[in-house]
Amino acid sequence: GAVVSQHPSWVICKSGTSVKIECRSLDFQATTMFWYRQFPKQSLMLMATSNEGSKATYEQGVEKDKFLINHASLTLSTLTVTSAHPEDSSFYICSASSNSQETQYFGPGTRLLVL
Amino acid sequence: QKEVEQNSGPLSVPEGAIASLNCTYSDRGSQSFFWYRQYSGKSPELIMSIYSNGDKEDGRFTAQLNKASQYVSLLIRDSQPSDSATYLCAVSEADSWGKFQFGAGTQVVVTP
Repeated sequence: GAVVSQHPSWVICKSGTSVKIECRSLDFQATTMFWYRQFPKQSLMLMATSNEGSKATYEQGVEKDKFLINHASLTLSTLTVTSAHPEDSSFYICSASSNSQETQYFGPGTRLLVL
Repeated sequence: QKEVEQNSGPLSVPEGAIASLNCTYSDRGSQSFFWYRQYSGKSPELIMSIYSNGDKEDGRFTAQLNKASQYVSLLIRDSQPSDSATYLCAVSEADSWGKFQFGAGTQVVVTP
């Protein structure tokens, strides 16, 4: 149980384009989903918290107009990196939790390379 | 400022020995504590959760919690080369249900 998937697993795009990453909870209802970013050899950095049906709460320093988050259902959240630039190249990881258990289950991550 | 502190390592452990990982946290109101394992290039996977003071065992893993000392640890018995990874300590935030503070992780290297 508690399986979270992400798609795509990796993506290469040109600078200036937008990229959408999907995060799905496959066997439970994810009332809350979290989006993290991790640069090589660095720790996880929380970008935003999204609750189903509500606007996402962004961490300080994260541009909400650049990183668009949608959590329209209890099994799907999306992160769109708009007008991506090379400095946005990173490992993006989502996690999901239900309202019955304060545990985060992580997706496999999406590796983004912006050329 | 809520903080979770871990020794970055690397912690070198001979195969078959016990690996001992420590974590301290600053948020006295935290109620839930987790250990995640992250292999290089992969996302974190949950190893254990602990909510009450004392020890909790799961296979070769034992988590220990002392809320008074704001300290949580993880023991890995009979360490195997496949245990070589970075171990992340995660602590729930008291005023934000479901949100965690993560430590920077301890890298463990099990040598054959």
